[in-house]
Amino acid sequence: SLELTQPPSVSVSPGQTATITCSGDKLGDTFVCWYQQKPGQSPVVVIYQDSKRPSGIPERFSGSNSGNTATLTISGTQSVDEADYYCQAWDTNTGVFGTGTKVTVL
Amino acid sequence: QLQLVQSGAELKKPGASVKVSCKASGYTFTLYGISWVRQAPGQGLEWMGWISASNGDTNSAQNLQGRVTLTTDTSTSTAYMELRSLRSDDTAVYYCARGSSGWPHDAFDVWGQGTFITVSS
Repeated sequence: SLELTQPPSVSVSPGQTATITCSGDKLGDTFVCWYQQKPGQSPVVVIYQDSKRPSGIPERFSGSNSGNTATLTISGTQSVDEADYYCQAWDTNTGVFGTGTKVTVL
Repeated sequence: QLQLVQSGAELKKPGASVKVSCKASGYTFTLYGISWVRQAPGQGLEWMGWISASNGDTNSAQNLQGRVTLTTDTSTSTAYMELRSLRSDDTAVYYCARGSSGWPHDAFDVWGQGTFITVSS
């Protein structure tokens, strides 16, 4: 079954680029989406179908997916981007979440 | 207004059952599916299962099969998640989320506010 692995934490300075990876076997063969979750709040999708941004999500969020790794990139990171981020994919009719990455903006 | 509104927090004893509701509004309920996701305190997101509001097709996580039942009531645009034989490690916030009505599945674009279920004697 599909398992998705993320780094536990990523630290970034304001204005710099944060890169979060999501690794899984042949992940590039399926669509990946990314969720942002702030403390005490429900998750919000920031990237779907590998690289598409929902309405209202800032352009600084971008995604890619190839081979065994999907990547979420936050360009020009702002303090409001400090949150937990989860990748997610589908293994036929079974949903799978990544292990989650805490992004800290120092 | 596009939203999913869940039932309130509950305290349950080990071995009991809980049924959480998720009422949809602002869209055509039967054109989408509902997934259930839980999050134990301080932990990550765990996908529990999915049900199509279109045709009732459903699937649940292997570790929960036999204990979880997902249903919908299209007359009230409400999805339900019942979890039986509760254990202390079922203590978590339970979310419903809108997704596709079937394969190919897509992202969860609308989430409920979460329901905190505490399992304790």
